[in-house]
Amino acid sequence: DVKVTQSSRYLVKRTGEKVFLECVQDMDHENMFWYRQDPGLGLRLIYFSYDVKMKEKGDIPEGYSVSREKKERFSLILESASTNQTSMYLCASSSVGPYGYTFGSGTRLTVV
Amino acid sequence: DAKTTQPTSMDCAEGRAANLPCNHSTISGNEYVYWYRQIHSQGPQYIIHGLKNNETNEMASLIITEDRKSSTLILPHATLRDTAVYYCIAFNFGNEKLTFGTGTRLTIIP
Repeated sequence: DVKVTQSSRYLVKRTGEKVFLECVQDMDHENMFWYRQDPGLGLRLIYFSYDVKMKEKGDIPEGYSVSREKKERFSLILESASTNQTSMYLCASSSVGPYGYTFGSGTRLTVV
Repeated sequence: DAKTTQPTSMDCAEGRAANLPCNHSTISGNEYVYWYRQIHSQGPQYIIHGLKNNETNEMASLIITEDRKSSTLILPHATLRDTAVYYCIAFNFGNEKLTFGTGTRLTIIP
């Protein structure tokens, strides 16, 4: 069964910590995405990547960075976590063309 | 990508067909209509997509009007597990990024 795996389901971090959220896909997809989801705001795109070592800003990139050193892995980095980054983070991947995205189960991050 | 409009919420009786409408009056010729759903506390799940023709798979049917300005997702025999938020998205796969709206919260009533 093909899937997108996010390393943690729940995470609690302190303000100012550097946080890494990991995402791995086993479908050899070219494209990978990071979204955050907040009540009333829906899913918002943070960053995406079309290929290894490539990255593009989404709609809300401030306070985040990403890394894609290998095709199957896309990491989201919070350089200095803040309480307003408390959210559900969702990773997704897709192949090039009119195909659907496959999402991971999400990481619920709480910054205290 | 074109903006879509969906009702905020809908109810459907268990066992009946659930028909979820979506308006996308500004859709362009190369934009597909995609449907995803999100069950509580899970990531969104791809359901179906289409360009012009009606489509059917094991999960649902997608009916797109001839002018492509609206579509309907049909769940033929709704079960309690179909309770979820359903998102209709007009997507130009050349852009390779999906923009989610607020979707329709579908509740299946026993």
